[in-house]
Amino acid sequence: GNSVTQMEGPVTLSEEAFLTINCTYTATGYPSLFWYVQYPGEGLQLLLKATKADDKGSNKGFEATYRKETTSFHLEKGSVQVSDSAVYFCALSDQGSWGKLQFGAGTQVVVTP
Amino acid sequence: SQTIHQWPATLVQPVGSPLSLECTVEGTSNPNLYWYRQAAGRGLQLLFYSVGIGQISSEVPQNLSASRPQDRQFILSSKKLLLSDSGFYLCAWSDREEAFFGQGTRLTVV
Repeated sequence: GNSVTQMEGPVTLSEEAFLTINCTYTATGYPSLFWYVQYPGEGLQLLLKATKADDKGSNKGFEATYRKETTSFHLEKGSVQVSDSAVYFCALSDQGSWGKLQFGAGTQVVVTP
Repeated sequence: SQTIHQWPATLVQPVGSPLSLECTVEGTSNPNLYWYRQAAGRGLQLLFYSVGIGQISSEVPQNLSASRPQDRQFILSSKKLLLSDSGFYLCAWSDREEAFFGQGTRLTVV
């Protein structure tokens, strides 16, 4: 079956540091890949997505590239802010099954001033 | 615009008591609806999904059940809660592009 593995947290960074959160997946076929973010006290929000190999999703300065050869979808941001402190979830779904998501365990990111 | 409402936000229930969590969606018709749970230290796991009124699919065996009495209403229930039912429960709906999540309910079974 499908599975998602992402790096454990918490990840603690200083403001303006570079952030990388690793995510790898196992899936049959060609899944769609997502990053969701959960800010303190809030529900999940879609951060970015990619639906086919070599696609790059981007939003709010975050980027992730769908790498089929390495089955990875690593999240990156060049300069984090305190407001980026949140829990980040990598997820996948089979094509066309947008709500049936397989999530990673989540990575807490803490950005300090 | 579409919105999703989920309540209550937090709940503390004794072992053996019943449970009812409600989720409603506004601004869309015939959505696919989902219940997810996040247990402590684990990722979110899909519990149930529904593609229409009265149509429920269960993804994992458990002490919980779901119902969809109306097009935009999705209810998660239990007759007798277990300690292992504690967790963060999220309702979601999806269109052809992505899934949209509610604010979640943190359930603590004591």
